[in-house]
Amino acid sequence: QSVLTQPPSVSAAPGQKVTISCSGSSSNIGNNFVSWYQQLPGTAPKLLIYENNKRPSGIPDRFSGSKSGTSATLGITGLQTGDEADYYCGTWDSSLNAGYVFGTGTKVTVL
Amino acid sequence: QVQLQESGPGLVKPSETLSLTCTVSGDSISSSNYYWGWIRQPPGKGLEWIGTIYYSGSTYYNPSLKSRVTISVDTSKNQFSLKLSSVTAADTAVYYCARRRFGDYWFDPWGQGTLVTVSS
Repeated sequence: QSVLTQPPSVSAAPGQKVTISCSGSSSNIGNNFVSWYQQLPGTAPKLLIYENNKRPSGIPDRFSGSKSGTSATLGITGLQTGDEADYYCGTWDSSLNAGYVFGTGTKVTVL
Repeated sequence: QVQLQESGPGLVKPSETLSLTCTVSGDSISSSNYYWGWIRQPPGKGLEWIGTIYYSGSTYYNPSLKSRVTISVDTSKNQFSLKLSSVTAADTAVYYCARRRFGDYWFDPWGQGTLVTVSS
């Protein structure tokens, strides 16, 4: 059971925009950087966003991240069929049960 | 460019110990700049962090798995390993190894993953 909650699925037409929320608490998102991972079908997760809003080299600026309080958001603009994937947020949890935690995951479907 | 590759048995019997190895190429596992971790994903489900090790041997485990998990490092082979004892069907998953920079809180890159099935 994850401590970070994401919507199970979001969808939009090609070219449109989607946003994915990641809700946590003060022990995780509220006090630590958030990262986002993209998992294309049948492949390993890939880092998409780190430190809330930074993109690794090679990640297009269609992908963006933000954080406010105990929630974070991933945005994808100019949606492409190749963006169909599962997306996970992740961060450190500083509570008694400390450790790295992932979100529940969101399936993005391009209509 | 650093690459990570998991290896180990794809089938483990219930109550036995799951053992996997991650071989690192393109970087030294003895670097003080990185942690090395294990993450798993049951079929059709989300990601779960298992634990992380520093080259010195310091380890950090998921509290929910801590009693059954051991992660170790072999600097001479540039590898780190995972042992999960007393496995059940609930431990069936794709197991990934990944790198985390010291002081940072994200994993990059990841290995391709290896499916381990627990079944008699």
